[in-house]
Amino acid sequence: GAVVSQHPSWVICKSGTSVKIECRSLDFQATTMFWYRQFPKQSLMLMATSNEGSKATYEQGVEKDKFLINHASLTLSTLTVTSAHPEDSSFYICSAATSGSSYGYTFGSGTRLTVV
Amino acid sequence: QKEVEQNSGPLSVPEGAIASLNCTYSDRGSQSFFWYRQYSGKSPELIMSIYSNGDKEDGRFTAQLNKASQYVSLLIRDSQPSDSATYLCAGLKSGGGNKLTFGTGTQLKVEL
Repeated sequence: GAVVSQHPSWVICKSGTSVKIECRSLDFQATTMFWYRQFPKQSLMLMATSNEGSKATYEQGVEKDKFLINHASLTLSTLTVTSAHPEDSSFYICSAATSGSSYGYTFGSGTRLTVV
Repeated sequence: QKEVEQNSGPLSVPEGAIASLNCTYSDRGSQSFFWYRQYSGKSPELIMSIYSNGDKEDGRFTAQLNKASQYVSLLIRDSQPSDSATYLCAGLKSGGGNKLTFGTGTQLKVEL
């Protein structure tokens, strides 16, 4: 089945620094990837849709200049949290789909970000 | 009104019993539905998908979809302690940019 690799699995950073999270589709090409954020005891909130070769589409309320998304190839999307603050501490998860697929998107293992 | 709604639980069932998880949705444009299981601190894993009215069975799991009533359910037979997790219902709207809309999840506890 489809496998999505995400790393790092956890990261601790200082306030004001930037953190990059990678999401790779290992055995399929993902024209579209999705980035979610999940706070404790809450559901997944979609942050943005990442499309290969084009700009990401951000959900309402998500700062595109703070959460930089790059989808430069069919197998790699990155999320960079810039100038991180403690309130950005969360569980970030990516998922991937092929074009037109509705089989049920595969999720990466998630990245636990802690900003101190 | 949320697009996908679930009872947050916790839903407690004894080991070996049937666990019934329910989900309702508001957008009739939603065509496909998915059940994910999420253990604490982990990312969601797909259990089942369902696109047509009726039942779909896979091992101990049965998904049910009723588009007229706009509800989706997941039955877990012979529940095991390892089934204890949060179950997320998600809907996919046709033409909606292939974005999944998640419910808040139902916490299931299977007790010995």
